[in-house]
Amino acid sequence: EPEVTQTPSHQVTQMGQEVILRCVPISNHLYFYWYRQILGQKVEFLVSFYNNEISEKSEIFDDQFSVERPDGSNFTLKIRSTKLEDSAMYFCASGGRDNEKLFFGSGTQLSVL
Amino acid sequence: GQNIDQPTEMTATEGAIVQINCTYQTSGFNGLFWYQQHAGEAPTFLSYNVLDGLEEKGRFSSFLSRSKGYSYLLLKELQMKDSASYLCAVEMVGGGSYIPTFGRGTSLIVHP
Repeated sequence: EPEVTQTPSHQVTQMGQEVILRCVPISNHLYFYWYRQILGQKVEFLVSFYNNEISEKSEIFDDQFSVERPDGSNFTLKIRSTKLEDSAMYFCASGGRDNEKLFFGSGTQLSVL
Repeated sequence: GQNIDQPTEMTATEGAIVQINCTYQTSGFNGLFWYQQHAGEAPTFLSYNVLDGLEEKGRFSSFLSRSKGYSYLLLKELQMKDSASYLCAVEMVGGGSYIPTFGRGTSLIVHP
């Protein structure tokens, strides 16, 4: 079965540093998402991306966050100046035309110290 | 906004049947997903309901009533490996995109 791949699997960073989380969605998918999950809490929507632009974003997705699809295959989430409360598991997901099934990557565990 | 409710935790016995309920209040409803998530892992797709009624897929079935804002996931012949968190996710339409929004999840513990 096709997979969404995310790198790195773990990222440790100092508060105030910039991080880039990388995702390779499934190749023929059209809809791309970033979610995060703080330990013990629910999976929270951050942003969706369709037709090469942000289609929807949540209140969490403030000015410190940005997304890019730089080369037609990678889909990145950048956090400009990390805070302690950004520590979470970040999941990338993609969906096909009918979007009947969202495929999730295995996640990047971000730890901000 | 949206409101998605599901029980926090349930326990069941191996071999039994368990039903996990999910109620929701939302605008722009398009469909409802159920995902399974083991600790430390990504959610994995179980089912997707758009129309009212029951969808059966092996040991797992999912039901949707759009008018009542209600869904359930039915797990039959429970196995120990079914111990996991079960996430109800309501799919809304927004900005040309489909946005699955997750509930807090139901932690299912299957014991011998």
